[in-house]
Amino acid sequence: GQNIDQPTEMTATEGAIVQINCTYQTSGFNGLFWYQQHAGEAPTFLSYNVLDGLEEKGRFSSFLSRSKGYSYLLLKELQMKDSASYLCAVGDSNYQLIWGAGTKLIIKP
Amino acid sequence: GAVVSQHPSRVICKSGTSVKIECRSLDFQATTMFWYRQFPKKSLMLMATSNEGSKATYEQGVEKDKFLINHASLTLSTLTVTSAHPEDSSFYICSAPTSVDYNEQFFGPGTRLTVL
Repeated sequence: GQNIDQPTEMTATEGAIVQINCTYQTSGFNGLFWYQQHAGEAPTFLSYNVLDGLEEKGRFSSFLSRSKGYSYLLLKELQMKDSASYLCAVGDSNYQLIWGAGTKLIIKP
Repeated sequence: GAVVSQHPSRVICKSGTSVKIECRSLDFQATTMFWYRQFPKKSLMLMATSNEGSKATYEQGVEKDKFLINHASLTLSTLTVTSAHPEDSSFYICSAPTSVDYNEQFFGPGTRLTVL
């Protein structure tokens, strides 16, 4: 079956760094996506990885290892506005997105 | 980036009525749109794939007669929840890919449906 796992909730301190992990088992692989979702809002796109390695985009970086079925999202210099759910999604062989349950990130002052 | 709109953003209706939700791609054409449902603190659940000019493809367990999807043009897909019941209350989100290989999907802002 298809499965995407990520922690349910994480807590971090403002200004710090946090890493959100995602492991996946899917039928086919056409890229891994990270989305940010604030409560009551639709997800917004953060990053896309299709090749192994690290993609950096400002304070956010995303890493992918296809052989390990593993990705992480790294958030640096955390701000209070980063408090949100972070969704990991994998494009399967039909190019549909398989979603993880999301990680709720709580930022404390 | 590309913009996808949804209307209405919030709707409250009585049990037994039907509700139509519109999803529009504002600055690009979308031959395919996806409809998702999300329960509180849960992940997005794909309901169906809407295809312009043809029938929608429904995911297993989704009643196609209850959730009617019409993709009438390259910029508009509609989801109609027929004979809504309280258990249909949810957050409904549409998305549209901007490229053939669906590398990136842009989401509408979502519609909060409450059925009394």
